[in-house]
Amino acid sequence: GQSLEQPSEVTAVEGAIVQINCTYQTSGFYGLSWYQQHDGGAPTFLSYNGLDGLEETGRFSSFLSRSDSYGYLLLQELQMKDSASYFCAVKGEDFNKFYFGSGTKLNVKP
Amino acid sequence: DVKVTQSSRYLVKRTGEKVFLECVQDMDHENMFWYRQDPGLGLRLIYFSYDVKMKEKGDIPEGYSVSREKKERFSLILESASTNQTSMYLCASSPNSGQGNNNEQFFGPGTRLTVL
Repeated sequence: GQSLEQPSEVTAVEGAIVQINCTYQTSGFYGLSWYQQHDGGAPTFLSYNGLDGLEETGRFSSFLSRSDSYGYLLLQELQMKDSASYFCAVKGEDFNKFYFGSGTKLNVKP
Repeated sequence: DVKVTQSSRYLVKRTGEKVFLECVQDMDHENMFWYRQDPGLGLRLIYFSYDVKMKEKGDIPEGYSVSREKKERFSLILESASTNQTSMYLCASSPNSGQGNNNEQFFGPGTRLTVL
C-alpha cells in the first residue's frame, strides 16, 4: 500500500520561515512533488525532487532524502497570500501516477 | 496558457441519478486523471487513462466509471449517485513519461457535487 504523512495544520507569522514535512511509504519511488491549493482553487504545482538534496525556486525550497523516505517544503519570508493547503505527492512504481498526502493547512498570521 | 476545464463548478443531484462530469484539456496530454477530494483525506485517485479508450482503476473506483473517446476529453460517470459521493471532484492531466517531463500534473478548477 501507499502511505504519506504530513502535519494537518501549521501556523506561522508573516515574514517567518516554515517547514512542512512529508514522510512516505510507497511501493516504488521515483520522486516527490509539492502542490499548493488555495481555498476554492485548484492544486498548482510547486516543485519536484527526483534526487536527494535541495531544490530552490524563489522563496520556496524543497528537500528530499530517499534513504529516510522523507522530504520537506520550506517557505521563507512568509506572506499572507501563502495561506493555503500544501500537498506532497509521490511518483510511485507506476511512472505516470502520483499518490497524494492528506495536505497541510498553512495559516499565516500578521 | 495551458488549460484543464471542467464542465461545472457546482452540481446538485438526487440519489439514484446518473451523473456525468466532463473534463477537457488543451495540452495534448496522454494522461488524464479523476480525483475526489474530501477534508482530511487529500486527493484520492478514482480512475486514470493513459490513452484514448484506455482506462485504469485508481484507489477508489467503486461506484464510478469513465470514458475517454477523444484524447482531450475524459468523463467521469456516477451510474447511480449516492450521498456518500458528495465531494469535490478534480480532473488533471499530464504528459506521458514517454512524451517528456511528466513530473507536474495540471488540474482543473474542480466540480463540487452535492447528492441529496
